[in-house]
Amino acid sequence: GDSVTQMEGPVTLSEEAFLTINCTYTATGYPSLFWYVQYPGEGLQLLLKATKADDKGSNKGFEATYRKETTSFHLEKGSVQVSDSAVYFCALSDLAGGSYIPTFGRGTSLIVHP
Amino acid sequence: DAGITQSPRHKVTETGTPVTLRCHQTENHRYMYWYRQDPGHGLRLIHYSYGVKDTDKGEVSDGYSVSRSKTEDFLLTLESATSSQTSVYFCAISEGDPTDTQYFGPGTRLTVL
Repeated sequence: GDSVTQMEGPVTLSEEAFLTINCTYTATGYPSLFWYVQYPGEGLQLLLKATKADDKGSNKGFEATYRKETTSFHLEKGSVQVSDSAVYFCALSDLAGGSYIPTFGRGTSLIVHP
Repeated sequence: DAGITQSPRHKVTETGTPVTLRCHQTENHRYMYWYRQDPGHGLRLIHYSYGVKDTDKGEVSDGYSVSRSKTEDFLLTLESATSSQTSVYFCAISEGDPTDTQYFGPGTRLTVL
């Protein structure tokens, strides 16, 4: 079945540092890929998404590129802020074979220090 | 704001008692989902619905049942709660088909003593 693997955390950075959170996937078909963010005490919310190979999703300074050849969707940000501290989830949704089950990674906690 | 509410937001109950969690949406979307979130496991799908009275199992459905008698409401029932069902439960909706963005409710923290 489909699966998502993302780097374990926590990732601890100083403010203005460069961020990369790795995400790789396996899928039966041609999935849509997502990054969601969860702030403390809240539900998940969409950060960015990409629906086809080589698409780049971007939002709030975060970027991720859909790499079909390496089955990856790594999240990057050039300069993190304390307010970016949260848990980040990589996810995919794939309709191949009639499956309607979205698949999430286990989440990566990001802690940004002033 | 995707117009999703969950009730109750917090609940403490005892082993063996039935519990029903409610998810309500104002967006009239077809797909609705129930997830549980536990440390070290991320988000796991319990059940989902693709229309009124149309539901299916997710990866961790044992011990849970769902019902959807109206488009806007999706109920999750624990027939006889166990301590292993202590978790944070999230409801989500998607705009179109499951490849679309999901919008999540604020969550329900359930503790089973």
